[in-house]
Amino acid sequence: GENVEQHPSTLSVQEGDSAVIKCTYSDSASNYFPWYKQELGKGPQLIIDIRSNVGEKKDQRIAVTLNKTAKHFSLHITETQPEDSAVYFCAANRQAGTALIFGKGTTLSVSS
Amino acid sequence: DTGVSQNPRHKITKRGQNVTFRCDPISEHNRLYWYRQTLGQGPEFLTYFQNEAQLEKSRLLSDRFSAERPKGSFSTLEIQRTEQGDSAMYLCASSPPAGVQLNEQFFGPGTRLTVL
Repeated sequence: GENVEQHPSTLSVQEGDSAVIKCTYSDSASNYFPWYKQELGKGPQLIIDIRSNVGEKKDQRIAVTLNKTAKHFSLHITETQPEDSAVYFCAANRQAGTALIFGKGTTLSVSS
Repeated sequence: DTGVSQNPRHKITKRGQNVTFRCDPISEHNRLYWYRQTLGQGPEFLTYFQNEAQLEKSRLLSDRFSAERPKGSFSTLEIQRTEQGDSAMYLCASSPPAGVQLNEQFFGPGTRLTVL
């Protein structure tokens, strides 16, 4: 079955710096890769996703890139702000509307 | 608020007791998912429904767990004879019907279960 590896597990940056979180997946048939942000005591919030027919997607300060050949995808956050501090999860699935397989998460701390 | 709602938000129970959680999905969403999340881990898939049909169950869903979605709207997750290892956050998500957005799963706030 699918396995998703995520790193780093923790990331500390200064306000205004960029942050990059990387994930690799094992199932070459996976075709959907969302990123979620989870704040303390809350459920995961979908922040951006990418499908296998595109290589990059951008939404304001966040972007996701996908390398299907290498089976890895990354989240890029530019101009980080303290409110970006949270746990970020990557996920993957191979068929629309089925189970998402999640990475173990990255705790991002942005200090001002 | 038109998001996914879950009740209760917190549940403390003694080992051996039964517990039931409820999830109300976003109104037009026909798929509903249950996940479990333990401390420091990502959510792990348990089961999902399309309308009232339960289409997939994970091996994590032991025979002490049962999920229902009788009318294709809200869902319940029951855990019988709870064990301390059941302590976790139970997350519900829903996704819209066919189309590009079918993949997108929107999560509720979760129910935190503590088994003493």
